[in-house]
Amino acid sequence: KNEVEQSPQNLTAQEGEFITINCSYSVGISALHWLQQHPGGGIVSLFMLSSGKKKHGRLIATINIQEKHSSLHITASHPRDSAVYICAFWEGAQKLVFGQGTRLTINP
Amino acid sequence: EAGVAQSPRYKIIEKRQSVAFWCNPISGHATLYWYQQILGQGPKLLIQFQNNGVVDDSQLPKDRFSAERLKGVDSTLKIQPAKLEDSAVYLCASSLGWDPGGGETQYFGPGTRLLVL
Repeated sequence: KNEVEQSPQNLTAQEGEFITINCSYSVGISALHWLQQHPGGGIVSLFMLSSGKKKHGRLIATINIQEKHSSLHITASHPRDSAVYICAFWEGAQKLVFGQGTRLTINP
Repeated sequence: EAGVAQSPRYKIIEKRQSVAFWCNPISGHATLYWYQQILGQGPKLLIQFQNNGVVDDSQLPKDRFSAERLKGVDSTLKIQPAKLEDSAVYLCASSLGWDPGGGETQYFGPGTRLLVL
């Protein structure tokens, strides 16, 4: 079983829709990242959180440490939000373990 | 602030050839990472440097892959000889330091897309 599972793997939605991407993990963690990867490979760190909720613009990330679950929400989605969204957590102090990613496509 | 620089952006080689990738991290960042990302998968850590020392290279295929960061700044990753399954995006990332509790933010470069024919 993979240590981190993301769902859905692919998501297509219309502009303006509310988007939710889920991340479940099987080990105890201290912090979790949400990352955005655009075509061409560049990765941008969106959030790093260890509890509760963080908000940045139209992006909201939540984490429930006890339930080993995190969600990334996008409000009022836009075609420029189309990207692969990856959750990752620290395994111990040294290694960042990545999920397989969720490919999001927002159609105008 | 300049980001993480990588070159080349794209490389096409034939199997059994050699290839090298270069990474220049953000100025002042002590920790440098090389990741391999195969299409449809999340990145996999190949090697982590703290200054010019190796912290973790447990997933580096050492029979064909090598990496160095001689002066603790920029780094090169080499594959010799390349195999078809090495086709992937090779991402370099850097962070300011290394938090023993985990959670240090990593900044990623644009990646080098390698195709082995």
